[in-house]
Amino acid sequence: GENVEQHPSTLSVQEGDSAVIKCTYSDSASNYFPWYKQELGKRPQLIIDIRSNVGEKKDQRIAVTLNKTAKHFSLHITETQPEDSAVYFCAASGGGTSYGKLTFGQGTILTVHP
Amino acid sequence: DTAVSQTPKYLVTQMGNDKSIKCEQNLGHDTMYWYKQDSKKFLKIMFSYNNKELIINETVPNRFSPKSPDKAHLNLHINSLELGDSAVYFCASSTDGNTIYFGEGSWLTVV
Repeated sequence: GENVEQHPSTLSVQEGDSAVIKCTYSDSASNYFPWYKQELGKRPQLIIDIRSNVGEKKDQRIAVTLNKTAKHFSLHITETQPEDSAVYFCAASGGGTSYGKLTFGQGTILTVHP
Repeated sequence: DTAVSQTPKYLVTQMGNDKSIKCEQNLGHDTMYWYKQDSKKFLKIMFSYNNKELIINETVPNRFSPKSPDKAHLNLHINSLELGDSAVYFCASSTDGNTIYFGEGSWLTVV
C-alpha cells in the first residue's frame, strides 16, 4: 500500500519568512495530493491540492509543487503570519484499488513567531 | 449549515462499555469515511462506504462496526472499549473519492 513520509515534524519560523514542508510517497499510481491544515482542537481542512497532471499550483501565499519522477511534493507558504501556526498534513491517494483512501503523512507542527 | 456533523463531540466512558458515534453529511456526497487520529496526531483511515456499501476496511479490531443506513449517514459502534481506543474520531465525506471534507471530530476518552 501507499506510504507517505513528511518532513520536518516541527518547523519554527519568524513572521514574514517562508516555510517549506516536504513529502514523499511510495505508490507511483497515486495521482492526487492534498494538503490539510489542522488548528488546535479543530478538524483538518483542505488548503490546497494538486493532481498528477500538474507540476505546480499556487493560491495566494501558498503553493504546492509535485515531482512525479522523484515521487515527492512540497508545500510552500510565503510571508508567514502567526495565524498560519497549525499542524499541516500532506496526503496521497488515487492509486489502483485505493479509491477514496487518503494516506496521510505524519504531520508538521508549524509555529510562526510574531 | 454544518456540512459533516458528528455527535457526540466529547465522550468519556469506562473500559468495557459499548458506545456509538453518529455522523451525517448534507453535501450529497456518495462516499463517507471514518478516520482515527491518535495522541501523536497521526490520521489513519478506518472505514469507507460508497452509497451504503463498504469499500475500505482497514486493519481495525472487529469491536469497531460501522453502519450506513443511507448514503448521508455513517455511524460507528465500538464494543468493549479499551484504553487504547482513546482518540479523536473524524467522520468525513467525499464526492470524487479524493477531496475529503472532515467533520468536527469526536473526542473519545476511555478511563
